[in-house]
Amino acid sequence: DTAVSQTPKYLVTQMGNDKSIKCEQNLGHDTMYWYKQDSKKFLKIMFSYNNKELIINETVPNRFSPKSPDKAHLNLHINSLELGDSAVYFCASSQDLAGSNTGELFFGEGSRLTVL
Amino acid sequence: GNSVTQMEGPVTLSEEAFLTINCTYTATGYPSLFWYVQYPGEGLQLLLKATKADDKGSNKGFEATYRKETTSFHLEKGSVQVSDSAVYFCALSDYNFNKFYFGSGTKLNVKP
Repeated sequence: DTAVSQTPKYLVTQMGNDKSIKCEQNLGHDTMYWYKQDSKKFLKIMFSYNNKELIINETVPNRFSPKSPDKAHLNLHINSLELGDSAVYFCASSQDLAGSNTGELFFGEGSRLTVL
Repeated sequence: GNSVTQMEGPVTLSEEAFLTINCTYTATGYPSLFWYVQYPGEGLQLLLKATKADDKGSNKGFEATYRKETTSFHLEKGSVQVSDSAVYFCALSDYNFNKFYFGSGTKLNVKP
C-alpha cells in the first residue's frame, strides 16, 4: 500500500499545453505539500494545504493552481506550460504542521514533467 | 530567516569508509532537524531526526547530533556500503512559518 501516491509518474508535453498531476495520501494526515525539484536536485516548496485550506503559497506563477477536494488529495494543475516548468514535482504529507514533533514529511515518488 | 547549508557533492568513498556530510542551519526559533535520503528514481525518505538540542538521531547505522552551540547537524556513518549511494538532504522545520527548509542535497557515491 503506497502511503503517498502521485500520478502520472512521467509526463511529456508541448509548450503551451495544460496538464494536471494528482496526489493522494492514505496516512490520514492533515497537511499536504507540493515541492518542485530542479535538475540540480534543489527542492523548493510551492504550496501547502492543511485540512483543505491553503496555508503556504510561495512565489509561484499563477499558471500553477493547486486544488484540495478533501484532506487526502492535493492536485496540481499547470496552465500554459513553459520550458522552465520541466522538473520533478513531489507531493508530500505530514501529520501536523511543520515544526511540531510529528511534523515529518512523507513523500510520493515524484512526477517527472518534461516540456518540449 | 531560516536556511540550511550542506556540503557540496558529489562525495565519493570506497566501501567501508567513514562518512561525514556537514550541515549547518540558521533559524529564528527552535526547529526540528532532519536528514532525508533520496535513492535514484525515488522520492525522499526520512532517514533520521532530532527535535531538540543535544538529541541524537540514528537509523541504519547513520547518526546526527543536534548541536545548538554550533548550529550543526552533521550526518555520520562509520562504514558505508554501496547501497548507501544516494542524495542526502538536511532539513529543518519551523513551526512559526509552518515550513520545511531543505539544503541543496549532497550526492554520495560508494564504490565497491
